[in-house]
Amino acid sequence: NAGVMQNPRHLVRRRGQEARLRCSPVKGHSHVYWYRQLPEEGLKFMVYLQKENIIDESGMPKERFSAEFPKEGPSILRIQQVVRGDSAAYFCASSPANEQYFGPGTRLTVT
Amino acid sequence: DQQVKQNSPSLSVQEGRISILNCDYTNSMFDYFLWYKKYPAEGPTFLISISSIKDKNEDGRFTVFLNKSAKHLSLHIVPSQPGDSAVYFCAASAQGGSEKLVFGKGTKLTVNP
Repeated sequence: NAGVMQNPRHLVRRRGQEARLRCSPVKGHSHVYWYRQLPEEGLKFMVYLQKENIIDESGMPKERFSAEFPKEGPSILRIQQVVRGDSAAYFCASSPANEQYFGPGTRLTVT
Repeated sequence: DQQVKQNSPSLSVQEGRISILNCDYTNSMFDYFLWYKKYPAEGPTFLISISSIKDKNEDGRFTVFLNKSAKHLSLHIVPSQPGDSAVYFCAASAQGGSEKLVFGKGTKLTVNP
């Protein structure tokens, strides 16, 4: 039983580059959530998606950030023109209904 | 505006004793509450949850208590084991958990042998 998978686990980008984070939910789960954790903080909600639909993007920054969950393939969180403040751990979770199950996270470092 | 608060950043307990982790919330729309355990460099692991229609849920050594009038919940671990040492996050959701989770900042539990 594969859990939520995220890749890459670590990603280093220079300022101005693009970062693409991938999340494969648990097989059969149709709900995907992205969260961001800054050092010494709790996880902060970014976006909630179902297949081909964005359900809630109230936590997404207005610019440079986008997310998708296509009919086939993983969910992608894309950050364009990264800045140092984007350095954080990004976690994806999937859910069949209530409990959300988290992946191991992608640690993004912007140099 | 912190809707979910874990006021104790850290807690140290002796092996075999009870660990009690506390969490307060402000949003009365929350109706589903969860506890997650997190080790460094890993994702949060789901531990236990409780719906607002209940005041207690138990799973092995873990029990969660909910006091809706006080907007307070707690996680009891008994007996505590060294392997329980981790950061524990309280999270809350509206509409039965299918919505986004709002997390507290976490409490770092250390269980001493």
